Amino acid sequence: EVQLVESGGGLVKPGGSLRLSCAASGFTFSSYSMNWVRQAPGKGLEWVSSISSSSSYIYYADSVKGRFTISRDNAKNSLYLQMNSLRAEDTAVYYCARDAPVVPAAPIDYWGQGTLVTVSS
Amino acid sequence: EIVMTQSPATLSVSPGERATLSCRASQSVSSNLAWYQQKPGQAPRLLIYGASTRATGIPARFSGSGSGTEFTLTISSLQSEDFAVYYCQQYNNWPPRTFGQGTKVEIK
Repeated sequence: EVQLVESGGGLVKPGGSLRLSCAASGFTFSSYSMNWVRQAPGKGLEWVSSISSSSSYIYYADSVKGRFTISRDNAKNSLYLQMNSLRAEDTAVYYCARDAPVVPAAPIDYWGQGTLVTVSS
Repeated sequence: EIVMTQSPATLSVSPGERATLSCRASQSVSSNLAWYQQKPGQAPRLLIYGASTRATGIPARFSGSGSGTEFTLTISSLQSEDFAVYYCQQYNNWPPRTFGQGTKVEIK
């Protein structure tokens, strides 16, 4: 069974930093591209960042480019999101999500339960 | 950036009735379109990908159609567990991967 478990969320002041983690199990993590997607309270879904299986390709939404860094450790079956210079508008539930094993274009097929990040003074 | 527009914002349907949700892309996304279901307090769940292929374990009452810029999700006979918010997402031309704003299916 595919499991994605996020951790690291919490309350942080504007301008602060936070590092999210996602522990993956139930599949060969090193073979899949991964994503972070966020959802502000009461709002829709917003794609944040993607990383390919070997970290060769990394992409960011314009709203987080230069502030957030996605990374992964295939030996630890883990995905990370380093978030710096946080703003109030970054307040959201952050989901770790896996790309489906479909080529050439893949949807997201599994999502974690999310971790809440609140940016407030 | 491809903009995804869903309609209606809210759909009121009685149990057992048919629900039809629409999603329009600002430019062609071929068939690289997915539909997700999200219930309150839960993560999204993949329903449909490739515009019309049901994901593993998704009941046959869910069907998707369309290509290019116009897409439809149909729920043939609404069950109580189907009342939720539904999102479409394109993964043809990215970054960014873009979602529609969602359609809430509520009990009439």
